[in-house]
Amino acid sequence: QITLKESGPTLVEPTQTLTLTCNFSGFSLSTSGVGVGWIRQPPGKALEWLAVIYWDDDKRYSPSLKSRITITKDTSKNQVVLTMTNMDPVDTATYYCAHTSYYNLWRGSYTRQYSPFAYWGQGTQVTV
Amino acid sequence: EIVMTQSPPTLFVSPGERATLSCRASQSVSSDLAWYRQKPGQAPRLLISAASTRATGIPARFSGSGSGTEFTLTISSLQSEDFAVYYCQQYNNWPRTFGQGTKVEIK
Repeated sequence: QITLKESGPTLVEPTQTLTLTCNFSGFSLSTSGVGVGWIRQPPGKALEWLAVIYWDDDKRYSPSLKSRITITKDTSKNQVVLTMTNMDPVDTATYYCAHTSYYNLWRGSYTRQYSPFAYWGQGTQVTV
Repeated sequence: EIVMTQSPPTLFVSPGERATLSCRASQSVSSDLAWYRQKPGQAPRLLISAASTRATGIPARFSGSGSGTEFTLTISSLQSEDFAVYYCQQYNNWPRTFGQGTKVEIK
């Protein structure tokens, strides 16, 4: 059974750095193709993808936030950490972590066939 | 960045009736399109991946169709738990992008 749970501060002052931790179980980030992503949702608004990290330490970031966010993993602890610098009131949102994956598909050469976010944490609310 | 546009923003449907939700991508995403349902105060739940494949445990009343830039989610007979917000998301290109959501409300 795959579960994920986010943790971190509920209140952050403007200009401070936010650090969120995603603790997960039921899968390992040492398994080929596995990834964990972060998505946020401001109150009453839509979902916004932030970042994802894969088993091989491949990292992808939202271009609009790339200068402010860092995603890392600790495979031994089953944790993924998201840090976001220079927090602003517009960053007030519920932050989710979620499981994703890919497999290698042969199409003359190997390409990654990605999957969406199949399992989500409950979310953690952050107010700036 | 691929922009995902959902329509309508709000859909009023009576329980037991059919609901049809649309999602359009600003460029082709092949079939790399997912649908999620989000109930108030809860995390999104994956309903459909690869445009038309139901996720584990998702009832058959949910069906997805489309490819390229035009996608549809159909709920054949709305149940009480289906009155929620639905999001589409493309995972064909970086960055991953979500639509703005369609809220399905009781008529």
